[in-house]
Amino acid sequence: QKEVEQNSGPLSVPEGAIASLNCTYSDRVSQSFFWYRQYSGKSPELIMSIYSNGDKEDGRFTAQLNKASQYVSLLIRDSQPSDSATYLCAVKIQGAQKLVFGQGTRLTINP
Amino acid sequence: DTEVTQTPKHLVMGMTNKKSLKCEQHMGHRAMYWYKQKAKKPPELMFVYSYEKLSINESVPSRFSPECPNSSLLNLHLHALQPEDSALYLCASSQGGGGFDEQFFGPGTRLTVL
Repeated sequence: QKEVEQNSGPLSVPEGAIASLNCTYSDRVSQSFFWYRQYSGKSPELIMSIYSNGDKEDGRFTAQLNKASQYVSLLIRDSQPSDSATYLCAVKIQGAQKLVFGQGTRLTINP
Repeated sequence: DTEVTQTPKHLVMGMTNKKSLKCEQHMGHRAMYWYKQKAKKPPELMFVYSYEKLSINESVPSRFSPECPNSSLLNLHLHALQPEDSALYLCASSQGGGGFDEQFFGPGTRLTVL
């Protein structure tokens, strides 16, 4: 079983709609959860961090964490063509220095 | 300022060459990382330096040699690489210390080995 799993996509969403990206993880001592956005040919950019159960909002982005169910999600409201990118879910296990990445979800926002 | 810089942006080298990749951060971070990323794959951890000491080597071949001259700088020395080593090489940094520890990536060096 992969440690961090994401839907590989591609996920296609019309402009202005809500894009929903999901990630599940297998290690129960996971501590910190991150979403990175990566445009083609560029490096990953940290867009959201979440550490506690519940929702965390930042502009059009909302991260949701449910430790009991071992999933973390990213919602993008009012999706824009500029949101088209690969979104990487990453998990940090308590006491470890490593991030474990999912395979990424490719998101396309259609005008 | 959440900036990590990397030089060069692009590098083409032959299999007998020796070259170095450089990374710098001025965020006061105490952990620095080297990742390798192939197309359509997530970043793959190579090395971690924590407080200027090598703390993780993910069984990377010896043709890759990391160096951390001080807390702001990280180098990756390359020697006798293979064509399959062609990839995007990413440097990242974080506060360190084992807490929540957000990692910030540099722009990367696109390496091509001929």
